[in-house]
Amino acid sequence: NAGVMQNPRHLVRRRGQEARLRCSPMKGHSHVYWYRQLPEEGLKFMVYLQKENIIDESGMPKERFSAEFPKEGPSILRIQQVVRGDSAAYFCASKEVSETQYFGPGTRLLVL
Amino acid sequence: EDQVTQSPEALRLQEGESSSLNCSYTVSGLRGLFWYRQDPGKGPEFLFTLYSAGEEKEKERLKATLTKKESFLHITAPKPEDSATYLCAVQAGSGGYNKLIFGAGTRLAVHP
Repeated sequence: NAGVMQNPRHLVRRRGQEARLRCSPMKGHSHVYWYRQLPEEGLKFMVYLQKENIIDESGMPKERFSAEFPKEGPSILRIQQVVRGDSAAYFCASKEVSETQYFGPGTRLLVL
Repeated sequence: EDQVTQSPEALRLQEGESSSLNCSYTVSGLRGLFWYRQDPGKGPEFLFTLYSAGEEKEKERLKATLTKKESFLHITAPKPEDSATYLCAVQAGSGGYNKLIFGAGTRLAVHP
């Protein structure tokens, strides 16, 4: 059973460009979470989605950031007009009935 | 405000030297406490979930315990392959039940 998959694993963008991060949850999981890990800091919750719905986006900046989890296909975290402060590791986690969230390998975003 | 504090920040052990990592938390209505292991450049790997004070769980050389204010991760006779960052996270009951709140982690280095 494949785990949570994320791509790309590494992404380099120049300031002002768009970053698009993808997450495929574990098979059978319909709950997806996105977290951000800044250098030397802990993981911080960004957004929680179920299929076609955003349930909790309290941790996501109001501007430039958006997330979706369509009926078909992976969940997408989109960052528009990236700035250097967006450089971080972005992790996706998924779960089903139990409370345990299983994490993907992350996407490391570097903004030049 | 819900908060998780891990100590020490870093720990260096000799192979076979047992020790404990601490995770103290303040949260309104604990739904669960989670331990993860994170290797450099990878995503968090699930270890344990604890739900109520007095609960204990074991896996190989690791044992996690929970009280009303803190959790301990005991490492017995560690080996170099146990070197990693150990993350503690809580899931709160009131309003924050959708997300995990992480501590900053303990970086463990086990030397032969």
